[in-house]
Amino acid sequence: KAGVTQTPRYLIKTRGQQVTLSCSPISGHRSVSWYQQTPGQGLQFLFEYFSETQRNKGNFPGRFSGRQFSNSRSEMNVSTLELGDSALYLCASSFYGGAWQGYNEQFFGPGTRLTVL
Amino acid sequence: AQSVTQLGSHVSVSEGALVLLRCNYSSSVPPYLFWYVQYPNQGLQLLLKYTTGATLVKGINGFEAEFKKSETSFHLTKPSAHMSDAAEYFCAVTYGSSNTGKLIFGQGTTLQVKP
Repeated sequence: KAGVTQTPRYLIKTRGQQVTLSCSPISGHRSVSWYQQTPGQGLQFLFEYFSETQRNKGNFPGRFSGRQFSNSRSEMNVSTLELGDSALYLCASSFYGGAWQGYNEQFFGPGTRLTVL
Repeated sequence: AQSVTQLGSHVSVSEGALVLLRCNYSSSVPPYLFWYVQYPNQGLQLLLKYTTGATLVKGINGFEAEFKKSETSFHLTKPSAHMSDAAEYFCAVTYGSSNTGKLIFGQGTTLQVKP
């Protein structure tokens, strides 16, 4: 089975621009979570999508948004980029068969490294 | 609120020595606990997890961890370090069975293995 893929792997933008990152989950996984990783703040949860609906959201400004398509692929968008948005953005997918099934682990992609100049 | 604290941002051991990476969590409900490893320029790989059942869990690459509820700890150990173990390690927690896809991570511990 192919793993989680993220595109692009590297991205350079300037302040004020916007950016869209893409994530393709493992086949059969309908839950996709996004995380931001920076040296100062560590790994922080952005949001999670399941069946095209945002199910959970972290403490990030509204400039950070996401969506999920019917094939479970997900995109996240950051508008009006700031220098502090430079980070590694990680996507993770998991199989979710219902709360009664218990926890299903998250599988992470390699990340997209965003540099804002 | 749930949180995770990893004691020691940097740990250095000699090859063949015991590896001990410390993790304490704060949770008002029964936690699910995880250890992930990250190699340079890569994503996170799950080493092991505790959800329910046996409190001593074994993972990949010879790592294991013990869930101690009384100490709110989930320390990661490996009896004998190998050069290939050099990486960054993250402890994470989530809670409940709702599978909301939110993991709360510790700040990470960089493991250095000296020859």
